[in-house]
Amino acid sequence: QKEVEQNSGPLSVPEGAIASLNCTYSDRGSQSFFWYRQYSGKSPELIMSIYSNGDKEDGRFTAQLNKASQYVSLLIRDSQPSDSATYLCACENSGNTPLVFGKGTRLSVIA
Amino acid sequence: GAVVSQHPSRVICKSGTSVKIECRSLDFQATTMFWYRQFPKKSLMLMATSNEGSKATYEQGVEKDKFLINHASLTLSTLTVTSAHPEDSSFYICSAPKTGFTGNTIYFGEGSWLTVV
Repeated sequence: QKEVEQNSGPLSVPEGAIASLNCTYSDRGSQSFFWYRQYSGKSPELIMSIYSNGDKEDGRFTAQLNKASQYVSLLIRDSQPSDSATYLCACENSGNTPLVFGKGTRLSVIA
Repeated sequence: GAVVSQHPSRVICKSGTSVKIECRSLDFQATTMFWYRQFPKKSLMLMATSNEGSKATYEQGVEKDKFLINHASLTLSTLTVTSAHPEDSSFYICSAPKTGFTGNTIYFGEGSWLTVV
């Protein structure tokens, strides 16, 4: 069974700090990896996608992928209270298969 | 701007009636769309995969006769909750994969809050 594991949190960081979110996945056939942010009562919003090993940076966000270790992470630099949300890690095996989601990590950025 | 659009964002209906939720891909064609349900403070739960021109694929435990899915065009999938009951009250979200240079990216609609009274 395909699984994606995340620490449910809550992860609390002070404003301005780096928040580190981690995720492991079981399906070695996974090709695409995503981080979504979900505010309470809202739909998930795509933050980052990553398809190959290494780091990918976009503004304050850096996604890291290590396929050998089956590990994906998301770093949020200069964390802001507005970053407080649930972050969902998701993996996809092929083009038209549903994403496999982790249960999400709740992040709280303390002002 | 939005890549996948859902309508309505909120709907209240009486018990026993049916409600239709639309999901549109705005600037791309989607042969496949996915429907999720999420209860408050719970994880996303995949309900079904909507396939353009063919029958939807339902996840185990999801009643296909209760949750009717129609994917009649490459940009529109609909979910109809038939004979709705209060326990069907939930947040329904659709998603669709958009193909890019490096791979597929899955975008979500804004979601639809259904309240059955």
